[in-house]
Amino acid sequence: GAVVSQHPSRVICKSGTSVKIECRSLDFQATTMFWYRQFPKQSLMLMATSNEGSKATYEQGVEKDKFLINHASLTLSTLTVTSAHPEDSSFYICSARDLGQGALETQYFGPGTRLLVL
Amino acid sequence: SQQGEEDPQALSIQEGENATMNCSYKTSINNLQWYRQNSGRGLVHLILIRSNEREKHSGRLRVTLDTSKKSSSLLITASRAADTASYFCATTPGANSKLTFGKGITLSVRP
Repeated sequence: GAVVSQHPSRVICKSGTSVKIECRSLDFQATTMFWYRQFPKQSLMLMATSNEGSKATYEQGVEKDKFLINHASLTLSTLTVTSAHPEDSSFYICSARDLGQGALETQYFGPGTRLLVL
Repeated sequence: SQQGEEDPQALSIQEGENATMNCSYKTSINNLQWYRQNSGRGLVHLILIRSNEREKHSGRLRVTLDTSKKSSSLLITASRAADTASYFCATTPGANSKLTFGKGITLSVRP
């Protein structure tokens, strides 16, 4: 089946530093990837839609200058949390649609990245 | 904003019992999907039901959809301790639209 990986799985950083999270589709191509954020015991909130070769589309209330998204290839999207602060600590999950599948509705999720900003 | 609302928010059952979880949504949809999330992990896609379908089965899972009531249910039969997880419904208004998740249900299956 379709596999999506994320790296790193867990990261601890100091306040003010930037952190990059990678999302890769391992066995399929994805023109569209999604970035979600999840606080403890809460649901997933979509942050942005990442489109290969074009600018990401951010959801209302998400700062595009703080959460930089780059989708340089059909198998890789990156999310960079710039000048991270403790309130950015969260679980970040990416997902991808399989370009080759007829069922474009199905998204495949990565295992998530736990970010802790001290 | 969140589209789906699951109930109950938490469910605790004995192994072997059936678990029924419900999801209601607000706007018209193209399809509704159920996902499972184990603690601290990513989401696993369980089943997708389209707006023109009423019921779908996959192994021990049975999903129903009532578009007139804007609701769906997920039934897990003969539950196992390994089914312990959070379950989310998610909807899309169009075929290529983004997913909107409900708040989730925490299922605990006691061995």
